[in-house]
Amino acid sequence: QAVVTQEPSLTVSPGGTVTLTCGSSTGPVTSGQYPYWIQQRPGQAPRTLIYDTNNKHSWTPARFSGSLLGGKAALTLSGAQPEDEAEYYCLFSYSGDWVFGGGTKLTVL
Amino acid sequence: QVQLVESGGGVVQPGRSLRLSCAASGFTFSYYTMHWVRQAPGKGLEWVAIISFDGSKKYYADSVKGRFTISRDNSQNTLYLQMNSLRAEDTAVYYCARVDIAWGQGTLVTVSS
Repeated sequence: QAVVTQEPSLTVSPGGTVTLTCGSSTGPVTSGQYPYWIQQRPGQAPRTLIYDTNNKHSWTPARFSGSLLGGKAALTLSGAQPEDEAEYYCLFSYSGDWVFGGGTKLTVL
Repeated sequence: QVQLVESGGGVVQPGRSLRLSCAASGFTFSYYTMHWVRQAPGKGLEWVAIISFDGSKKYYADSVKGRFTISRDNSQNTLYLQMNSLRAEDTAVYYCARVDIAWGQGTLVTVSS
């Protein structure tokens, strides 16, 4: 099965901007892999922030956005808040199989 | 609202079996693909299995292929995961998910003698 690669950790200042990325071992990430971005705060269940590359839910703060950037899936956080400190996972579809990235631990400091 | 509630976790000896259930509500269950995802203690999320809306297509992670079976009962709005030949490395919190919109709270499976 494919391997999905994320930055292990990133730090952003309160109010700052940061971009998390996910690459695929099979080549450039495409919209056909339906990239998802999932947030997991410590001790909590996961929740989906972004689906199908760039679609948001009603609970997704406007400061989060999804895109494809340089052959990778990207999650951009503009105006970081303390409550955004969490683990972020991407999830890709590979024609039946699905694969998570290893997760990015985002620190707001 | 969309709700997913897992049950069936517990402590089981290596080599034994366990069946997890996930009760779905708040949406038309029979319309949607469903997933099982697990998370070992202190580790990241690992995709386990997926089942199509009608149960006709199923896919599994290599780590569970041949041992786990995903199924669903659309008349009961329930998703299942039958886990056989359990190993210590299957110890994890197991989540059912409609990954586009909702996750359950998870059920802990501990495989230990």
